Amino acid sequence: NAGVMQNPRHLVRRRGQEARLRCSPMKGHSHVYWYRQLPEEGLKFMVYLQKENIIDESGMPKERFSAEFPKEGPSILRIQQVVRGDSAAYFCASSARTGHGELFFGEGSRLTVL
Amino acid sequence: DQQVKQNSPSLSVQEGRISILNCDYTNSMFDYFLWYKKYPAEGPTFLISISSIKDKNEDGRFTVFLNKSAKHLSLHIVPSQPGDSAVYFCAATRGYGNQFYFGTGTSLTVIP
Repeated sequence: NAGVMQNPRHLVRRRGQEARLRCSPMKGHSHVYWYRQLPEEGLKFMVYLQKENIIDESGMPKERFSAEFPKEGPSILRIQQVVRGDSAAYFCASSARTGHGELFFGEGSRLTVL
Repeated sequence: DQQVKQNSPSLSVQEGRISILNCDYTNSMFDYFLWYKKYPAEGPTFLISISSIKDKNEDGRFTVFLNKSAKHLSLHIVPSQPGDSAVYFCAATRGYGNQFYFGTGTSLTVIP
């Protein structure tokens, strides 16, 4: 499968634990975007990364949330000390380096905080 | 600040008829617009796009219209099919290497 791969698909955490969501972009794509979809809401931009660089993190909460896209390996969205309000579907998307190009989305990771 | 808006949360259409989904935006710097389709428990999938230098783009049953003066775009699906039942998101971006702004989605139900 050459598409955007996200794992885990489902993650359950208790309040105060850490959640790590992983995203492997499509082959040849070096741009990664993370979006969050809360229940009954649309897709909210969180962060845009290129290899080893955070380009735009204007949608990321200032505390507890971080993202990285290392030179090797998948992009990671990390949520520390999760709270119930973090329960959502987190979608990763990737795009090619040049041109407008559309975003290609993964299947999403659904985080449930108990 | 919602820069891309879809004011109709839901739409129901009879099979075979036309579905028209609407989207408004506020940022006149946006120059590329996209429509995505999303089924429950799946990621959004790209449907069709349009550059600001055009006012119409067609792909099979799907046509997107762009009215830059009104900052409005619409997606027409004709004829509508039950398999088109999904949530449709419009998105916009500016230039290259910038974030994509998404609307809140419109849930389309095509009634057989």
